[in-house]
Amino acid sequence: EVQLLESGGHLVQPGGSLRLSCAASGFTFSSYGMSWVRQAPGKGLEWVSAISGSGGTTYYSDSVKGRFTISRDNSKNTLYLQMNSLRAEDTAVYYCAKHAGGQWPVLRDAFDIWGQGTMVTVSS
Amino acid sequence: QSALTQPPSASGSPGQSVTISCTGTSSDVGGYNYVSWYQQHPGKAPKLLIYEVSKRPSGVPDRLSGSKSGNTASLTVSGLQAEDEADYYCSSYAGSNLVVFGGGTKLTVL
Repeated sequence: EVQLLESGGHLVQPGGSLRLSCAASGFTFSSYGMSWVRQAPGKGLEWVSAISGSGGTTYYSDSVKGRFTISRDNSKNTLYLQMNSLRAEDTAVYYCAKHAGGQWPVLRDAFDIWGQGTMVTVSS
Repeated sequence: QSALTQPPSASGSPGQSVTISCTGTSSDVGGYNYVSWYQQHPGKAPKLLIYEVSKRPSGVPDRLSGSKSGNTASLTVSGLQAEDEADYYCSSYAGSNLVVFGGGTKLTVL
């Protein structure tokens, strides 16, 4: 069964840092692009960042560029999101999502598998 | 990058059809055939319903369909069922290495 399991969400102070992880299973992890998508409380979905299957190409939304870094360890089937200089507006449930595959750039792919999400709260 | 525009709410009675629109620009919806639709029940993760404007993943019933005309994509849910009550989001590749989502539509089955 294809599964994604996020972890690392926490309460953090403004200006702080946090690293999220997403453990993947049930598919050939290195063959697929992956994304992080967030959802603020009571709000809609917002794409945050994506990475190609090899990890060699990364993409960021304007709202997180320069503060967040996406990476992956294909030997551990794990996706990461390093979040620095956190702001109150970064408060959200963060989902990792598997790209359906077959497109380049990978951003043209739909997100066919989603994790259950991990909550990040930025507050003093 | 601005979010795609969706109506905040839609409704229909069991058995009826409902269409949800998703309006963007020529830089996103109108410029590419990479529009997707997702369903999200409260407290749950989103689920892919439609990709590349009108394609259905395996397991998604054919009473759900997608289309596009110009800068507006649409999701039609036919034969409404109680379990269709959920939030629906569209997304599109937006060029310039970006992905944009719609604000979401809450579908109520009356």
